[in-house]
Amino acid sequence: GQSLEQPSEVTAVEGAIVQINCTYQTSGFYGLSWYQQHDGGAPTFLSYNALDGLEETGRFSSFLSRSDSYGYLLLQELQMKDSASYFCAVRDRYSSASKIIFGSGTRLSIRP
Amino acid sequence: NAGVTQTPKFRVLKTGQSMTLLCAQDMNHEYMYWYRQDPGMGLRLIHYSVGEGTTAKGEVPDGYNVSRLKKQNFLLGLESAAPSQTSVYFCASTLSGQEYEQYFGPGTRLTVT
Repeated sequence: GQSLEQPSEVTAVEGAIVQINCTYQTSGFYGLSWYQQHDGGAPTFLSYNALDGLEETGRFSSFLSRSDSYGYLLLQELQMKDSASYFCAVRDRYSSASKIIFGSGTRLSIRP
Repeated sequence: NAGVTQTPKFRVLKTGQSMTLLCAQDMNHEYMYWYRQDPGMGLRLIHYSVGEGTTAKGEVPDGYNVSRLKKQNFLLGLESAAPSQTSVYFCASTLSGQEYEQYFGPGTRLTVT
């Protein structure tokens, strides 16, 4: 089967840097995605890593190590608007179509 | 370009009632998905479709049915609602080969009493 583990909550200070980790177990692994979800809102796509290494998109970066079945999302220069839940998701092949399996999410709280 | 839309936004049902949730996308995406999200949990896949006229079961399909008669629409049906189906339902769509980047609708908050 597939499983993902990420911390349930993380607290950080405005302007600081925070890292949200994700470990996964899955067969037919293709890549790791990250999504952001504000309270009451819909998930929105942030990044995708298919290969080992760091992908940078503005203040957000995502890292993948396939050999360690591990990835993380790095948020820099934290702003209050970054307070949200962050989900890692693995792209896996199951049955006849590729699907996304989501982790339970990490709630990021930012203090002034 | 409206993206992914869902109707209704909110609904309250009594146990045993039926209803249909509608998802529509105008991005010409091949794949469409229905998820449910419960408090403190991630998204769990109910059913999905890889094209018009095709559907498949996800992780938690029991109690739900789906249909994809047109490429742009994906319907989720509850034949006999149960309190355990109280949840927020999200529809998503994506291009074939880009399943890692899904576009979500705003969600439907369903309460079954």
